[in-house]
Amino acid sequence: GQQVMQIPQYQHVQEGEDFTTYCNSSTTLSNIQWYKQRPGGHPVFLIQLVKSGEVKKQKRLTFQFGEAKKNSSLHITATQTTDVGTYFCAGSYNTDKLIFGTGTRLQVFP
Amino acid sequence: NAGVTQTPKFRILKIGQSMTLQCTQDMNHNYMYWYRQDPGMGLKLIYYSVGAGITDKGEVPNGYNVSRSTTEDFPLRLELAAPSQTSVYFCASSYKPPGEQYFGPGTRLTVT
Repeated sequence: GQQVMQIPQYQHVQEGEDFTTYCNSSTTLSNIQWYKQRPGGHPVFLIQLVKSGEVKKQKRLTFQFGEAKKNSSLHITATQTTDVGTYFCAGSYNTDKLIFGTGTRLQVFP
Repeated sequence: NAGVTQTPKFRILKIGQSMTLQCTQDMNHNYMYWYRQDPGMGLKLIYYSVGAGITDKGEVPNGYNVSRSTTEDFPLRLELAAPSQTSVYFCASSYKPPGEQYFGPGTRLTVT
């Protein structure tokens, strides 16, 4: 079946360092979304990418959608302790459903 | 707006018991979803609904049932609880796919 793979599983960084998580699909996605889940919380929508090669920024967060629409990345510049949580990508394959990646847990040490 | 609400927040069930997880949204969304999240894992879709009276299976529907009699409510039923159903259950809704999904706070279920 369709799967969305996400790496790395965990990332520990010092505050101020950058962080990147990657998402890959074996087949072309119609769109990809990113969510953040704080420890003990629920997933919260961050952004949606639809176009091939699309790049969007939200303050220190940069989201990219690959040219082939099979991969995506989330980059955080100069991490802060408030960035702690698990980041999920979720892809859609021209259906009503999202397939979630396994997530990348980010820990930021002050 | 309260958004998506779920009850209960926590529940412990014995093997073989049944229960209903409640989910309500006040955003007039047609699309609603039930996910389960096992420790350290992503979300797996159990069931979803595209509108009142219409439901369909997701990736992991076995052991669960749903109904959608109104736009607002989408309850999830566990008939014969098993330890493998120990998980955190999230309900979500969206205006239309593949748009943003709004998640409820979750129900943490333990089956012993």
